[in-house]
Amino acid sequence: EAGVAQSPRYKIIEKRQSVAFWCNPISGHATLYWYQQILGQGPKLLIQFQNNGVVDDSQLPKDRFSAERLKGVDSTLKIQPAKLEDSAVYLCASSLGTGGIAKNIQYFGAGTRLSVL
Amino acid sequence: TQLLEQSPQFLSIQEGENLTVYCNSSSVFSSLQWYRQEPGEGPVLLVTVVTGGEVKKLKRLTFQFGDARKDSSLHITAAQPGDTGLYLCAGAAGASGTYKYIFGTGTRLKVLA
Repeated sequence: EAGVAQSPRYKIIEKRQSVAFWCNPISGHATLYWYQQILGQGPKLLIQFQNNGVVDDSQLPKDRFSAERLKGVDSTLKIQPAKLEDSAVYLCASSLGTGGIAKNIQYFGAGTRLSVL
Repeated sequence: TQLLEQSPQFLSIQEGENLTVYCNSSSVFSSLQWYRQEPGEGPVLLVTVVTGGEVKKLKRLTFQFGDARKDSSLHITAAQPGDTGLYLCAGAAGASGTYKYIFGTGTRLKVLA
């Protein structure tokens, strides 16, 4: 079974530039999560989708971050314009989205490491 | 705001030693998960505990969920260099399809050979 795919793996940009990340979840997984992980810290949820609808985006800085999950499969996360403090690893995860908690395991991609100079 | 504090933040021990990592919150969670993350990779789930007071064992790892479902601990017996990594706890809240996970602050473990 293929895992969660993310691209690119690394990105270096200058502040005020734009950047986009792509995530392809595990086939059949209805729930998709985007997390921001600053070096040495735990992941922070940015946005959560159930199919193509947003479940939670309360911690997404909406003035500069946007995300979409068209057709309820792939998702993109965009930052425009980027700030120095956006330097982090952006992780995508997916889960079944049905059944009990024991079945709703989050599977993570390897992440995209963003450096904003 | 739900927060999960982990302690210690960093731990460097010799191979063969035992250790315990703590995960504490003032909030109640429906379940709690432990992950290990290695450099350049995403977190990988180790265990999910659901019932207050539950204890689960995974080889040399023992996980416990507090009676009040607000805290958890991870105990490693006879640590090995392969146990090195970032250990994360995550509390889950919500219902199926809308589970939201709050991650802890992380414990970075290094086991020296």
